[in-house]
Amino acid sequence: GQNIDQPTEMTATEGAIVQINCTYQTSGFNGLFWYQQHAGEAPTFLSYNVLDGLEEKGRFSSFLSRSKGYSYLLLKELQMKDSASYLCAPKEDSSYKLIFGSGTRLLVRP
Amino acid sequence: EPEVTQTPSHQVTQMGQEVILRCVPISNHLYFYWYRQILGQKVEFLVSFYNNEISEKSEIFDDQFSVERPDGSNFTLKIRSTKLEDSAMYFCASSVPGTGMISSPLHFGNGTRLTVT
Repeated sequence: GQNIDQPTEMTATEGAIVQINCTYQTSGFNGLFWYQQHAGEAPTFLSYNVLDGLEEKGRFSSFLSRSKGYSYLLLKELQMKDSASYLCAPKEDSSYKLIFGSGTRLLVRP
Repeated sequence: EPEVTQTPSHQVTQMGQEVILRCVPISNHLYFYWYRQILGQKVEFLVSFYNNEISEKSEIFDDQFSVERPDGSNFTLKIRSTKLEDSAMYFCASSVPGTGMISSPLHFGNGTRLTVT
């Protein structure tokens, strides 16, 4: 089984940096995905980490520590359109499916 | 960029009726999934499908649910006798096989909003 823990809500200011944390426990591990979901829309893929360290992709970066069961998503130069839910999904190595946490709802204010 | 397409975008049905939700996965993908999201709640896994059979299913996916790949392009979710609590957004997703230790992301369709009255 899986246990995924993320903050429920965060608020940040346009232009700022925000870090969304995720801790997890899985039966086996084969990488961790981050997805963005705007209200009423489908989740969209943001990033994937399978090795420890930081993966950077434009304004978004994601970090993984497998030994600590910990990941974070870093959003820089926040824009209003970044207001959305961010879903952490660690992947079990015996499975193709993703199990999502409850997500962190980010509100970006002017 | 190829995308997963779902029809209809909205479906309203009466309790006890059967509904079929349709999906066209990305053409070179081999794994197909259904998820649901009740309003205000998290995205929940229902079922995965590979090589014309169910690969995994969750506790939610009970006997009232079934999936089918009736031809080379469509992937359907049937709810045999809908209940009020089946009202949710249903997302179809697909993925390619990963390579080595690298996993492939799931690509989601825009969803079908099912309302059971």
